[in-house]
Amino acid sequence: NAGVTQTPKFQVLKTGQSMTLQCAQDMNHEYMSWYRQDPGMGLRLIHYSVGAGITDQGEVPNGYNVSRSTTEDFPLRLLSAAPSQTSVYFCASSLQQGYNEQFFGPGTRLTVL
Amino acid sequence: AQSVAQPEDQVNVAEGNPLTVKCTYSVSGNPYLFWYVQYPNRGLQFLLKYITGDNLVKGSYGFEAEFNKSQTSFHLKKPSALVSDSALYFCAVRGIFGTGTRLKVLA
Repeated sequence: NAGVTQTPKFQVLKTGQSMTLQCAQDMNHEYMSWYRQDPGMGLRLIHYSVGAGITDQGEVPNGYNVSRSTTEDFPLRLLSAAPSQTSVYFCASSLQQGYNEQFFGPGTRLTVL
Repeated sequence: AQSVAQPEDQVNVAEGNPLTVKCTYSVSGNPYLFWYVQYPNRGLQFLLKYITGDNLVKGSYGFEAEFNKSQTSFHLKKPSALVSDSALYFCAVRGIFGTGTRLKVLA
């Protein structure tokens, strides 16, 4: 099993550009989530999904969109990048929401100029 | 609303000494509590969890955590710290994470 994979590892964008961060898991997990990690802020939940076709907002959803057309994939879209979105982004998956441990991808380091 | 607090940004401990990393939580209903570790430039790795049962939970790499319902705490402990334990540690309740505590084990 590859676990949770994320691409790209690094990305530099200009303000106003859009892009998609890819996330895939091969563990047949129902629950998937996106977090951003900023110094002193810990991990903050952006969006999550409890199954294919179902998504919901987390703590900091503004400026981001998600979709979940398959169990395996959960891409995160930045609509119009802003410097405040400079961060490290982690995708995670687990069997179910809440009481199962999450498996994390290696992260995407995004810089918005 | 649920929340997690990690009151210490950094904990320093000498190698061989016991370590404690503190976590308190606020949640309605059953507290599903987790500890994760993050090494530099890596994703988070699961250490242990409390769902129900014994208040002392044992996890990976010799770590354990004590659930205390009256104090709403879930402190991470290890009897004898190793230099290789130096990392960033996160407490989580369900999908909500604390701000992290950097553990530095000094040789």
